[in-house]
Amino acid sequence: EVQLVESGGGLVQPGGSLRLSCAASGFTFSSHWMNWVRQASGKGLEWVAAIKQGGSEKYYVDSVKGRFTISRDDAKSSLHLQMNSLRAEDTALYYCARGPSYGERPDFLDPWGQGALVTVSS
Amino acid sequence: DIVMTQSPLSLPVTPGEPASISCRSSQSLLDSNGYNYLDWYLQKPGQSPQLLIYFVSNRASGVPDRFSGSGSGTDFTLKISRVEAEDVGIYYCMQSLQIPLTFGGGTKVEIK
Repeated sequence: EVQLVESGGGLVQPGGSLRLSCAASGFTFSSHWMNWVRQASGKGLEWVAAIKQGGSEKYYVDSVKGRFTISRDDAKSSLHLQMNSLRAEDTALYYCARGPSYGERPDFLDPWGQGALVTVSS
Repeated sequence: DIVMTQSPLSLPVTPGEPASISCRSSQSLLDSNGYNYLDWYLQKPGQSPQLLIYFVSNRASGVPDRFSGSGSGTDFTLKISRVEAEDVGIYYCMQSLQIPLTFGGGTKVEIK
Protein backbone atom coordinates (compact mmCIF):
# COMPACT_ATOMS: atom_id res chain seq x y z
CA GLU A 1 0.00 0.00 0.00
CA VAL A 2 1.33 3.42 -0.97
CA GLN A 3 1.64 5.66 2.07
CA LEU A 4 2.83 9.18 2.73
CA VAL A 5 3.17 10.34 6.33
CA GLU A 6 4.05 13.93 7.12
CA SER A 7 5.68 15.10 10.33
CA GLY A 8 7.39 18.14 11.77
CA GLY A 9 4.51 20.56 11.95
CA GLY A 10 3.96 22.85 14.90
CA LEU A 11 3.69 26.37 16.26
CA VAL A 12 6.44 28.79 15.32
CA GLN A 13 6.88 32.53 15.72
CA PRO A 14 6.98 34.84 12.72
CA GLY A 15 10.47 34.83 11.27
CA GLY A 16 11.15 31.38 12.62
CA SER A 17 11.97 28.12 10.88
CA LEU A 18 10.46 24.67 10.65
CA ARG A 19 11.35 21.51 8.74
CA LEU A 20 8.63 19.23 7.47
CA SER A 21 9.27 15.62 6.54
CA CYS A 22 7.29 13.10 4.54
CA ALA A 23 8.02 9.40 4.94
CA ALA A 24 7.09 7.40 1.87
CA SER A 25 6.46 3.67 1.63
CA GLY A 26 4.89 1.14 -0.71
CA PHE A 27 6.48 2.42 -3.91
CA THR A 28 9.85 3.20 -5.47
CA PHE A 29 10.29 6.68 -4.05
CA SER A 30 13.31 7.56 -6.16
CA SER A 31 11.30 7.11 -9.37
CA HIS A 32 8.70 9.79 -8.69
CA TRP A 33 8.25 13.52 -8.69
CA MET A 34 7.30 14.69 -5.21
CA ASN A 35 5.33 17.76 -4.15
CA TRP A 36 4.19 19.89 -1.25
CA VAL A 37 0.72 21.43 -1.33
CA ARG A 38 -0.80 23.56 1.43
CA GLN A 39 -4.28 24.46 2.55
CA ALA A 40 -5.09 27.27 4.95
CA SER A 41 -8.00 26.55 7.26
CA GLY A 42 -11.26 26.71 5.35
CA LYS A 43 -9.48 27.69 2.14
CA GLY A 44 -8.54 26.04 -1.12
CA LEU A 45 -5.42 24.22 -2.25
CA GLU A 46 -2.14 25.93 -3.08
CA TRP A 47 0.76 24.07 -4.66
CA VAL A 48 4.00 25.02 -2.90
CA ALA A 49 6.94 23.10 -4.35
CA ALA A 50 8.00 20.13 -6.46
CA ILE A 51 11.19 18.15 -6.86
CA LYS A 52 12.04 15.91 -9.77
CA GLN A 53 13.53 12.43 -9.60
CA GLY A 54 17.17 12.72 -8.58
CA GLY A 55 16.63 16.13 -6.97
CA SER A 56 18.37 18.19 -9.65
CA GLU A 57 15.24 20.18 -10.52
CA LYS A 58 13.22 22.03 -7.92
CA TYR A 59 10.30 24.37 -8.41
CA TYR A 60 8.48 26.76 -6.10
CA VAL A 61 5.48 29.04 -6.00
CA ASP A 62 6.65 32.67 -6.01
CA SER A 63 5.41 33.38 -2.48
CA VAL A 64 7.90 30.93 -0.94
CA LYS A 65 10.91 31.35 -3.23
CA GLY A 66 14.03 32.17 -1.28
CA ARG A 67 12.42 31.09 2.00
CA PHE A 68 11.48 27.42 1.47
CA THR A 69 13.70 24.61 0.23
CA ILE A 70 12.42 21.25 -0.96
CA SER A 71 14.75 18.26 -0.80
CA ARG A 72 14.65 14.50 -0.95
CA ASP A 73 16.59 11.59 0.48
CA ASP A 74 16.03 8.66 -1.85
CA ALA A 75 18.01 6.29 0.37
CA LYS A 76 15.50 6.94 3.17
CA SER A 77 12.43 7.42 0.95
CA SER A 78 11.82 10.79 2.50
CA LEU A 79 10.83 14.24 1.33
CA HIS A 80 11.55 17.44 3.23
CA LEU A 81 10.51 21.06 3.23
CA GLN A 82 12.77 23.49 5.05
CA MET A 83 10.76 26.60 5.82
CA ASN A 84 12.60 29.75 6.90
CA SER A 85 11.49 33.32 7.55
CA LEU A 86 7.99 32.07 8.21
CA ARG A 87 5.07 34.46 8.00
CA ALA A 88 1.54 34.38 9.35
CA GLU A 89 0.27 33.71 5.83
CA ASP A 90 2.26 30.45 5.74
CA THR A 91 -0.10 29.02 8.36
CA ALA A 92 -1.69 25.97 6.76
CA LEU A 93 -1.97 22.22 6.59
CA TYR A 94 0.92 21.03 4.44
CA TYR A 95 0.37 17.93 2.34
CA CYS A 96 3.01 15.76 0.75
CA ALA A 97 1.83 14.39 -2.61
CA ARG A 98 3.39 11.96 -5.05
CA GLY A 99 3.80 12.94 -8.68
CA PRO A 100 4.25 10.73 -11.72
CA SER A 101 7.21 8.47 -12.41
CA TYR A 102 7.86 10.01 -15.81
CA GLY A 103 7.91 13.26 -17.71
CA GLU A 104 9.17 16.77 -17.40
CA ARG A 105 6.45 18.06 -15.11
CA PRO A 106 4.55 16.85 -12.03
CA ASP A 107 1.44 16.03 -14.05
CA PHE A 108 -0.81 14.80 -11.29
CA LEU A 109 -0.73 14.29 -7.54
CA ASP A 110 -1.58 10.83 -6.24
CA PRO A 111 -1.76 9.97 -3.43
CA TRP A 112 -1.63 12.66 -0.75
CA GLY A 113 -0.56 12.34 2.85
CA GLN A 114 -2.73 13.30 5.80
CA GLY A 115 -0.96 16.62 6.24
CA ALA A 116 1.16 18.43 8.83
CA LEU A 117 -0.19 21.56 10.48
CA VAL A 118 2.04 24.61 10.53
CA THR A 119 0.94 27.58 12.62
CA VAL A 120 2.91 30.82 12.47
CA SER A 121 1.92 33.08 15.32
CA SER A 122 3.41 35.11 18.13
CA ASP B 1 0.40 32.07 -13.71
CA ILE B 2 -2.55 30.16 -15.15
CA VAL B 3 -5.75 31.08 -13.36
CA MET B 4 -8.33 28.33 -12.88
CA THR B 5 -11.97 29.28 -12.41
CA GLN B 6 -14.62 26.81 -11.28
CA SER B 7 -18.38 27.05 -11.27
CA PRO B 8 -20.61 26.77 -9.47
CA LEU B 9 -19.15 27.45 -6.03
CA SER B 10 -21.82 25.30 -4.43
CA LEU B 11 -23.84 22.48 -5.93
CA PRO B 12 -26.75 20.95 -4.02
CA VAL B 13 -27.56 17.59 -5.56
CA THR B 14 -30.22 14.92 -5.24
CA PRO B 15 -28.95 11.34 -4.91
CA GLY B 16 -29.40 9.48 -8.16
CA GLU B 17 -29.42 12.66 -10.20
CA PRO B 18 -26.57 13.85 -12.43
CA ALA B 19 -24.21 16.68 -11.54
CA SER B 20 -21.78 18.77 -13.53
CA ILE B 21 -18.90 21.07 -12.57
CA SER B 22 -17.19 23.50 -14.91
CA CYS B 23 -13.54 24.55 -14.89
CA ARG B 24 -12.01 27.21 -17.10
CA SER B 25 -8.36 28.13 -17.47
CA SER B 26 -6.94 31.54 -18.35
CA GLN B 27 -4.91 29.96 -21.13
CA SER B 28 -5.01 26.75 -23.10
CA LEU B 29 -3.92 23.60 -21.27
CA LEU B 30 -3.32 21.76 -24.54
CA ASP B 31 0.33 20.90 -24.96
CA SER B 32 2.07 20.28 -28.29
CA ASN B 33 2.06 16.59 -27.42
CA GLY B 34 -1.71 16.53 -27.69
CA TYR B 35 -2.41 16.19 -23.98
CA ASN B 36 -4.48 18.60 -21.93
CA TYR B 37 -2.90 18.98 -18.50
CA LEU B 38 -6.04 19.13 -16.40
CA ASP B 39 -6.83 17.00 -13.36
CA TRP B 40 -9.75 16.74 -10.95
CA TYR B 41 -9.49 16.11 -7.22
CA LEU B 42 -12.07 15.44 -4.53
CA GLN B 43 -11.60 16.39 -0.92
CA LYS B 44 -14.16 14.57 1.18
CA PRO B 45 -15.05 16.09 4.57
CA GLY B 46 -12.16 15.72 7.00
CA GLN B 47 -9.94 13.96 4.47
CA SER B 48 -6.98 14.71 2.26
CA PRO B 49 -7.64 15.41 -1.42
CA GLN B 50 -7.69 12.41 -3.74
CA LEU B 51 -7.08 12.24 -7.46
CA LEU B 52 -10.22 11.51 -9.46
CA ILE B 53 -9.27 12.22 -13.06
CA TYR B 54 -6.05 13.10 -14.86
CA PHE B 55 -5.39 14.37 -18.39
CA VAL B 56 -9.03 15.51 -18.63
CA SER B 57 -10.72 12.15 -18.89
CA ASN B 58 -8.65 9.36 -17.37
CA ARG B 59 -10.10 7.98 -14.16
CA ALA B 60 -7.62 7.27 -11.39
CA SER B 61 -7.40 3.79 -9.96
CA GLY B 62 -10.51 2.82 -8.02
CA VAL B 63 -12.62 5.78 -9.18
CA PRO B 64 -16.17 4.69 -10.09
CA ASP B 65 -17.22 5.01 -13.71
CA ARG B 66 -20.03 7.38 -12.78
CA PHE B 67 -17.29 10.05 -12.82
CA SER B 68 -16.26 11.34 -16.23
CA GLY B 69 -14.26 14.28 -17.50
CA SER B 70 -14.29 16.11 -20.78
CA GLY B 71 -13.06 19.24 -22.50
CA SER B 72 -10.05 20.68 -24.23
CA GLY B 73 -8.13 23.93 -24.41
CA THR B 74 -9.62 26.19 -21.77
CA ASP B 75 -13.01 24.63 -20.95
CA PHE B 76 -13.42 21.45 -18.95
CA THR B 77 -16.24 19.59 -17.25
CA LEU B 78 -16.51 16.95 -14.57
CA LYS B 79 -19.72 14.97 -14.63
CA ILE B 80 -21.21 12.59 -12.13
CA SER B 81 -23.82 10.46 -13.87
CA ARG B 82 -25.74 9.54 -10.70
CA VAL B 83 -24.67 11.21 -7.49
CA GLU B 84 -24.28 9.06 -4.40
CA ALA B 85 -24.09 10.22 -0.80
CA GLU B 86 -20.37 9.37 -0.66
CA ASP B 87 -19.65 11.90 -3.43
CA VAL B 88 -20.09 14.91 -1.14
CA GLY B 89 -17.08 17.12 -0.68
CA ILE B 90 -15.13 19.82 -2.45
CA TYR B 91 -14.05 19.22 -6.03
CA TYR B 92 -10.97 20.99 -7.37
CA CYS B 93 -9.58 21.20 -10.88
CA MET B 94 -5.83 21.67 -11.28
CA GLN B 95 -3.63 22.53 -14.24
CA SER B 96 -0.20 20.96 -14.55
CA LEU B 97 0.84 22.42 -17.89
CA GLN B 98 2.95 25.12 -16.26
CA ILE B 99 4.75 25.68 -13.02
CA PRO B 100 3.33 26.85 -10.66
CA LEU B 101 0.63 24.22 -10.63
CA THR B 102 -2.63 26.02 -9.90
CA PHE B 103 -5.99 24.92 -8.57
CA GLY B 104 -9.48 26.18 -9.08
CA GLY B 105 -11.25 27.63 -6.07
CA GLY B 106 -13.31 24.51 -5.52
CA THR B 107 -16.93 23.44 -5.89
CA LYS B 108 -18.71 22.19 -2.81
CA VAL B 109 -21.08 19.35 -3.59
CA GLU B 110 -23.68 18.61 -0.95
CA ILE B 111 -26.79 16.52 -0.75
CA LYS B 112 -30.10 18.39 -0.89
